[in-house]
Amino acid sequence: GQQVMQIPQYQHVQEGEDFTTYCNSSTTLSNIQWYKQRPGGHPVFLIQLVKSGEVKKQKRLTFQFGEAKKNSSLHITATQTTDVGTYFCAGPTDTGNQFYFGTGTSLTVIP
Amino acid sequence: GAGVSQTPSNKVTEKGKYVELRCDPISGHTALYWYRQSLGQGPEFLIYFQGTGAADDSGLPNDRFFAVRPEGSVSTLKIQRTERGDSAVYLCASSLLRVRNTGELFFGEGSRLTVL
Repeated sequence: GQQVMQIPQYQHVQEGEDFTTYCNSSTTLSNIQWYKQRPGGHPVFLIQLVKSGEVKKQKRLTFQFGEAKKNSSLHITATQTTDVGTYFCAGPTDTGNQFYFGTGTSLTVIP
Repeated sequence: GAGVSQTPSNKVTEKGKYVELRCDPISGHTALYWYRQSLGQGPEFLIYFQGTGAADDSGLPNDRFFAVRPEGSVSTLKIQRTERGDSAVYLCASSLLRVRNTGELFFGEGSRLTVL
């Protein structure tokens, strides 16, 4: 079945350093979404990418969707303590009835 | 309400008991999802409703799990003969009618189930 893997599983960075998480799907995705989950919280939608090669920015966050639409990345420039949390990518199945969530990358920012 | 509401927020039960978890989605959201999340894992899909019908229940782990959404709004996830392995946070999410697989999911705070 479809699998969505993320690397790394954990990342510790000093405040001000950059951070990147990578998402890889075993199948082509029609679109991909990114969510952030703070410790003890629930996933919160960040962004959706639809087009091959698409790049979107939200302040210090840059999201990319691969040309083959099987991978995606999230890059955070100059991390802050407010960036702490687990970042998940999520992609739909062929039927579109469910979204598979990736394994997540847990980010710790050391002040 | 303004967001997705889930009750109870915490449920502790004994092995073999029956539990119900309730989800009240955002008003007007026709799509409703149930996910299960274990510590350190991503949300695991359980079931998807479009209106009153279960459009996809392929994620339900076995026949002890059942979910309903009789009026197309509130949904109840029902777990019979609970097992310790059922312990997890059960997340509900809702979304506007999904067109071509797009549309963000709005999650509730979750119901933490602990089976002793």
